[in-house]
Amino acid sequence: DQQVKQNSPSLSVQEGRISILNCDYTNSMFDYFLWYKKYPAEGPTFLISISSIKDKNEDGRFTVFLNKSAKHLSLHIVPSQPGDSAVYFCAASQTGANNLFFGTGTRLTVIP
Amino acid sequence: DSGVTQTPKHLITATGQRVTLRCSPRSGDLSVYWYQQSLDQGLQFLIQYYNGEERAKGNILERFSAQQFPDLHSELNLSSLELGDSALYFCASSAEGTNYPSGNTIYFGEGSWLTVV
Repeated sequence: DQQVKQNSPSLSVQEGRISILNCDYTNSMFDYFLWYKKYPAEGPTFLISISSIKDKNEDGRFTVFLNKSAKHLSLHIVPSQPGDSAVYFCAASQTGANNLFFGTGTRLTVIP
Repeated sequence: DSGVTQTPKHLITATGQRVTLRCSPRSGDLSVYWYQQSLDQGLQFLIQYYNGEERAKGNILERFSAQQFPDLHSELNLSSLELGDSALYFCASSAEGTNYPSGNTIYFGEGSWLTVV
């Protein structure tokens, strides 16, 4: 039972444009959400997170939006750069729990 | 560099064999997690240890076991290996054992590639 879903396996974006990666979750108890970036042959790297008490968190070119009523979050990258090309994983957890639930990832390709 | 160290990086073994994957967490982190990533799959949580004790168990097979030692390093033991066990196994660590209001960010190692032939 996949509690965190990333329905787009891949996304291609032109350099300089906005990349929008989407994630849906089913467990209403989740209250903390994270995005990880993964390059080939490397482990996932923490990128940005958001608590359920917020609906937006921004860090430089990266912004995560949370829509609790829709159980949906998205990662916006503006402007997209070729170095952003990687697999992006969405993850979620709940207070008192001990692990993260991950989506299956979206492969982002930024075209120069 | 996340500070989480995993060995070996690559491992090829035959079906029916047993292997041990090793993980050293970030300095000061008490929690260690093991995740499995199979082809085209997301990261599947296997098990978590906190300060030497098992804290949570996920989709870990009975043929697999793990432990965390007093120096906080952890080992994942995989036995009676099958072809389907071929995957990338990640170790991760975090400072705390549970999800605090500010969230519990987990830091991953580079993974151990296991190929069962």
